[in-house]
Amino acid sequence: GQQVMQIPQYQHVQEGEDFTTYCNSSTTLSNIQWYKQRPGGHPVFLIQLVKSGEVKKQKRLTFQFGEAKKNSSLHITATQTTDVGTYFCAGHGCARQLTFGSGTQLTVLP
Amino acid sequence: DGGITQSPKYLFRKEGQNVTLSCEQNLNHDAMYWYRQDPGQGLRLIYYSQIVNDFQKGDIAEGYSVSREKKESFPLTVTSAQKNPTAFYLCASKDNAGTNQPQHFGDGTRLSIL
Repeated sequence: GQQVMQIPQYQHVQEGEDFTTYCNSSTTLSNIQWYKQRPGGHPVFLIQLVKSGEVKKQKRLTFQFGEAKKNSSLHITATQTTDVGTYFCAGHGCARQLTFGSGTQLTVLP
Repeated sequence: DGGITQSPKYLFRKEGQNVTLSCEQNLNHDAMYWYRQDPGQGLRLIYYSQIVNDFQKGDIAEGYSVSREKKESFPLTVTSAQKNPTAFYLCASKDNAGTNQPQHFGDGTRLSIL
């Protein structure tokens, strides 16, 4: 079945450093969605990418969808303590329903 | 204010007991989902429903049951057949089952075994 892998599982950074999480699918995806889950909270939708090679920005966050539509990345520039949480990618591929990656837990040290 | 309400926030289950987790949405969404989240892992799909009176098994449906008698409600029962039920359970909904719309999540229910 469809698998979505995400690395790294954990990342600790000093405040002000950059952060990147990578998402790889075993199959071609029709879209990729990114969610953020704060500690003790629930996932909140951040963005969706649909087109091959698409790049979208939200302030300090940059999202990319690979040319082959099998991988994606989220890059945060100059992290802040408010960025703390777990970032999940999720995509629609051969499976009819959304498949979530295992998430990257980001810790930002002040 | 529209949203998804899950209750209770914390739930404890005794051995051999069935427990039911509530999920209600007032977003008028067609599709609803139940996920299980274990520490350090992603969300795994238990059951989903694309329309009232219809639901489908997800990846880890064994030991769980659901119903969808009303559009706004999608309760999940964790049966005694689920041998490792301790987890964080998340309910989600989506505007149109057939589109790639984002999912909206409730605050979750933490289930533990006594």
